[in-house]
Amino acid sequence: EAQVTQNPRYLITVTGKKLTVTCSQNMNHEYMSWYRQDPGLGLRQIYYSMNVEVTDKGDVPEGYKVSRKEKRNFPLILESPSPNQTSLYFCASSPTGVYGYTFGSGTRLTVV
Amino acid sequence: RKEVEQDPGPFNVPEGATVAFNCTYSNSASQSFFWYRQDCRKEPKLLMSVYSSGNEDGRFTAQLNRASQYISLLIRDSKLSDSATYLCVVNIDTGNQFYFGTGTSLTVIP
Repeated sequence: EAQVTQNPRYLITVTGKKLTVTCSQNMNHEYMSWYRQDPGLGLRQIYYSMNVEVTDKGDVPEGYKVSRKEKRNFPLILESPSPNQTSLYFCASSPTGVYGYTFGSGTRLTVV
Repeated sequence: RKEVEQDPGPFNVPEGATVAFNCTYSNSASQSFFWYRQDCRKEPKLLMSVYSSGNEDGRFTAQLNRASQYISLLIRDSKLSDSATYLCVVNIDTGNQFYFGTGTSLTVIP
């Protein structure tokens, strides 16, 4: 089944403790992206990648890192999480910008 | 100014009604347009792409007006299962930057 898989689905952590949210897609898509969704603000792009080793900042990159060492994987790293990073995170992939994104099921992160 | 703006609603309509959502975008260089559907606490799912000539998929019709920079979604014969939030999405340069509206909430009432 074609899908985007992200883990974990739920995560509660403490301020400052480094964490990684994994994302993997099995559709051989070139483009991958991370979004966060907050009430009243909608989906905002954090980082995106157009191919292996090619990444760029979206609208809200502060406090996040990404890497794209393999085509299928695009992990999101929070080196020192803070409470304002409490949010619902989605990973997504697309064959090109002309087509829409396919989203993972989301990761609900709470930083206390 | 936001790249994409939508009326948040909520829209509460009876079963069988026709409902229309509009969305405006600010960048005239926008290339690709989409409507997504998002159920509560779930991931957004692509409903349909929006083409310049307009396109239809069953009960759903999408229109694009480049001159006025808006896109629309029309749902005919609403079903209870259409209750969701509908997101308007714009891609500026066929690259990787997709801009999402904040969504329009629809509830179809029996």
